[in-house]
Amino acid sequence: DTEVTQTPKHLVMGMTNKKSLKCEQHMGHRAMYWYKQKAKKPPELMFVYSYEKLSINESVPSRFSPECPNSSLLNLHLHALQPEDSALYLCASSPLGGVNTEAFFGQGTRLTVV
Amino acid sequence: GIQVEQSPPDLILQEGANSTLRCNFSDSVNNLQWFHQNPWGQLINLFYIPSGTKQNGRLSATTVATERYSLLYISSSQTTDSGVYFCAVSDSNYQLIWGAGTKLIIKP
Repeated sequence: DTEVTQTPKHLVMGMTNKKSLKCEQHMGHRAMYWYKQKAKKPPELMFVYSYEKLSINESVPSRFSPECPNSSLLNLHLHALQPEDSALYLCASSPLGGVNTEAFFGQGTRLTVV
Repeated sequence: GIQVEQSPPDLILQEGANSTLRCNFSDSVNNLQWFHQNPWGQLINLFYIPSGTKQNGRLSATTVATERYSLLYISSSQTTDSGVYFCAVSDSNYQLIWGAGTKLIIKP
């Protein structure tokens, strides 16, 4: 099973709403990632969790709050977003260390902030 | 940091044609992946290919690590091959560094 599952697939939220994006993998990967992708651009790294601990935060605004409850789950909590935060949000996972570090991506959540 | 360049940026082909996409990178890398992003946004793993040659059906890829480039070959193109093809390499921290992508349109 090389699947990363993201929910929801689509989300429309107002600027005062609080919502969460969810990501799940069962490949035993110990690194999990959140990416943001705008139209016609490659994905941009937001956060990296290694062994359930936040290891990289790419200067992401505090209105985005990641959480890794266990090695299989990754959440992204959203609060007071701006219209420019509308984008495709991608979750990924990969093994840590070793020879093969292939990353696998979920199908993404298309977020619209109104 | 490592720079990744993909060419061409856009490619329009008729169904049945063959194509070659190129990825150049500026430094030695731990791995290299090719992805296809379909019109719905899904990033599909095509190849994990830090070096050598791999084939999967109509697709094949070659990475020459010593010369810092990788090629993705698509033969007998189908309309479902349309989308954006990304090359991504891992730096020393195993973070993915992305190329800008090649947008491929296959016309019926």
